[in-house]
Amino acid sequence: NAGVTQTPKFRILKIGQSMTLQCTQDMNHNYMYWYRQDPGMGLKLIYYSVGAGITDKGEVPNGYNVSRSTTEDFPLRLELAAPSQTSVYFCASSYSRDGGEQFFGPGTRLTVL
Amino acid sequence: AQSVSQHNHHVILSEAASLELGCNYSYGGTVNLFWYVQYPGQHLQLLLKYFSGDPLVKGIKGFEAEFIKSKFSFNLRKPSVQWSDTAEYFCAVNAGSNTGKLIFGQGTTLQVKP
Repeated sequence: NAGVTQTPKFRILKIGQSMTLQCTQDMNHNYMYWYRQDPGMGLKLIYYSVGAGITDKGEVPNGYNVSRSTTEDFPLRLELAAPSQTSVYFCASSYSRDGGEQFFGPGTRLTVL
Repeated sequence: AQSVSQHNHHVILSEAASLELGCNYSYGGTVNLFWYVQYPGQHLQLLLKYFSGDPLVKGIKGFEAEFIKSKFSFNLRKPSVQWSDTAEYFCAVNAGSNTGKLIFGQGTTLQVKP
């Protein structure tokens, strides 16, 4: 099992550019999440999904979009990158809606200049 | 709104010292509680979790945490830290959600001096 994988590991974007952060899990988990981590702020939930075809906003969804066409993949899209989106992005998945352990990917460090 | 607060932002200890990191949450109903650890350059991994039962839970690497419902707290402890415990520690709460969403605290950076 590879667990949760994310690509790319690092990326530098110019203001206004777009990109997609990829997330794949091979554990057949229904629940998937995208977080951003900023220094001293902990992790903030951007979007989440409870199964293929179902997504919903988290705490900080502005400037992002997601899709979930398969159980395995949960890509995060930035349409018009802004400096405020400079952050480390983590994808996670879980087998249970009742607070089961979330398994995290290695993260993507994004810088917007 | 539900929130999680970690009181210590940066803790520096010498090896063999005892550790206690505070975590408080704001939610009056049933909660599931977690401590995650992020070692330098690595992704988050679960240290321990509390769902129900014995309020004193034991996790990996000698860590334990105590759930005190009346204080809305879930403090992390370790009797004797090692240099390898240097990491960032996050408290998280699943508060009445049927989607598995977690609310994270701000994190505590622990630096252990050899």
